[in-house]
Amino acid sequence: GAVVSQHPSWVICKSGTSVKIECRSLDFQATTMFWYRQFPKQSLMLMATSNEGSKATYEQGVEKDKFLINHASLTLSTLTVTSAHPEDSSFYICSAHSSTDTQYFGPGTRLTVL
Amino acid sequence: QKEVEQDPGPLSVPEGAIVSLNCTYSNSAFQYFMWYRQYSRKGPELLMYTYSSGNKEDGRFTAQVDKSSKYISLFIRDSQPSDSATYLCAMSGSDMRFGAGTRLTVKP
Repeated sequence: GAVVSQHPSWVICKSGTSVKIECRSLDFQATTMFWYRQFPKQSLMLMATSNEGSKATYEQGVEKDKFLINHASLTLSTLTVTSAHPEDSSFYICSAHSSTDTQYFGPGTRLTVL
Repeated sequence: QKEVEQDPGPLSVPEGAIVSLNCTYSNSAFQYFMWYRQYSRKGPELLMYTYSSGNKEDGRFTAQVDKSSKYISLFIRDSQPSDSATYLCAMSGSDMRFGAGTRLTVKP
């Protein structure tokens, strides 16, 4: 079946640094990818919708200058958390839509900002 | 074996029917269990969130968790055409895993 990978699976960084998370669809092309974050014991929150070759659409309350999303190819979208702070610590998950409109989730990236 | 198994359907029922959606899982470390509803190309919205075995009811929706069997269900009573969507089960412990999603169509 279709597979979506995320890299890294976990990252620890110092406050003020930037972190890039990659989301790849390994065996299909994804014109649309979603980025989510989840806080402990809470539900998933949609951050942004990423369409290949165009600017991402951010949900209300998500800072587009802080969470930079790039969807440069049909198999790769990246999320960069700029100038990360401890409150950005979270579990970030991407999902990718196939041409059949089936959604596949990545395994997630756990970010800890010290 | 996948950590979470969910029949992708599609499932088609007449309006008013009771819908049963199910997921099985293999990782006994999962502690929290969720059901999401997702319309085409939209982000998923949380329907139910549970952390213990048993039933939890919210309106027409009932979530059931059986940790001993590693089996969770979502029941929809008096289904409506507006319930037509993809339903995702999800569970988390230290990480979060999703089922493949079941595509449901409720026909008027």
